[in-house]
Amino acid sequence: EADIYQTPRYLVIGTGKKITLECSQTMGHDKMYWYQQDPGMELHLIHYSYGVNSTEKGDLSSESTVSRIRTEHFPLTLESARPSHTSQYLCASSSTRQEPRTFGSGTRLTVV
Amino acid sequence: QKEVEQNSGPLSVPEGAIASLNCTYSDRGSQSFFWYRQYSGKSPELIMFIYSNGDKEDGRFTAQLNKASQYVSLLIRDSQPSDSATYLCAVSYTGTASKLTFGTGTRLQVTL
Repeated sequence: EADIYQTPRYLVIGTGKKITLECSQTMGHDKMYWYQQDPGMELHLIHYSYGVNSTEKGDLSSESTVSRIRTEHFPLTLESARPSHTSQYLCASSSTRQEPRTFGSGTRLTVV
Repeated sequence: QKEVEQNSGPLSVPEGAIASLNCTYSDRGSQSFFWYRQYSGKSPELIMFIYSNGDKEDGRFTAQLNKASQYVSLLIRDSQPSDSATYLCAVSYTGTASKLTFGTGTRLQVTL
């Protein structure tokens, strides 16, 4: 049973739209992550957070922003969606270890 | 450029056999090594991690690390059809905290 929830599960949106992908966890984990994964490809870190009001950029962060106002909530925002943003977005969390332990089910985003 | 290399497969093994999955990494400054299992259409799940040279065993899984040769392996004993999945290798490097570098994964098929 997943304790980390992502919504929406699927999203098709037009170019130029602003979108927010939601991620919430009920485990009280301090560390949260956003990854992007294309089919057959590796995961790329977009953003991560060590705790409330603490966020860091990953490798693919230049076109998105995150916030961490509450421990359980870590939304990802794309200000202006482009077809190149079409991908699977995975949220993850962990407690004391560095590595992501628990992943959400993902949001599959298609920008047309 | 820190890289993690895996053979994409598919690696096909008969049920009951030992599956051996390999991963090489480019940076000698790497500290921690992780194996994730990802079923088709699902999110990754952490199955093993290893920090020091040698072997680490957990049930049917054994992780082997050789820092001098810069490779890490995952052995799956008594392979079952339910082990059929893509196995992702990930490495963290000194000073990069939560920034894991992932390989593209090896697809394992366990045949009846």
